[in-house]
Amino acid sequence: GAGVSQSPSNKVTEKGKDVELRCDPISGHTALYWYRQSLGQGLEFLIYFQGNSAPDKSGLPSDRFSAERTGGSVSTLTIQRTQQEDSAVYLCASSLVGGGNEQFFGPGTRLTVL
Amino acid sequence: GQNIDQPTEMTATEGAIVQINCTYQTSGFNGLFWYQQHAGEAPTFLSYNVLDGLEEKGRFSSFLSRSKGYSYLLLKELQMKDSASYLCAVRDRGGNTPLVFGKGTRLSVIA
Repeated sequence: GAGVSQSPSNKVTEKGKDVELRCDPISGHTALYWYRQSLGQGLEFLIYFQGNSAPDKSGLPSDRFSAERTGGSVSTLTIQRTQQEDSAVYLCASSLVGGGNEQFFGPGTRLTVL
Repeated sequence: GQNIDQPTEMTATEGAIVQINCTYQTSGFNGLFWYQQHAGEAPTFLSYNVLDGLEEKGRFSSFLSRSKGYSYLLLKELQMKDSASYLCAVRDRGGNTPLVFGKGTRLSVIA
């Protein structure tokens, strides 16, 4: 019973480069969430996938951010033309359907933009 | 807008009881969650309240008052390993939609 996994665990990039962050949710979990956690800030919602429905992108901070989920499982968050303010820990979570169901979080990817 | 407030930091003594408060003002309410997050690790689920009252789970209890927009997390018989950040989060929409998180309360347990 593997939990949510994310890769890479750490990513250092130069300003202006594109990065891809990967999330493998728990098998059978139809809901997948991306959040980011900046120093001293709470978790900030980015994007949410539920089954085959169109993703809820309302939390994406700019059009440089995008995400996709292939085959209802693995998800990739892409940040284009990274900026220093993108530096944060990017957390992925998954859950079963149901309002009371907890979200299980992955270990996160720490992104540093130089 | 959405607003979730909790104290930034708290300190308590090993073996004691500590209460971490959370107040929220959100456009909707469909449940309140508490998570624990050790430094450098992923948040882990502690409790869920959707109806008023107290939910007890071992050394941890969580209380909710929807009319007051208020919750607290109660930790009893504190242990050093309880030193962590405690995150209050509200689901403001139906289904299993994303959570709105507070900034977290960093709890230090001292001997």
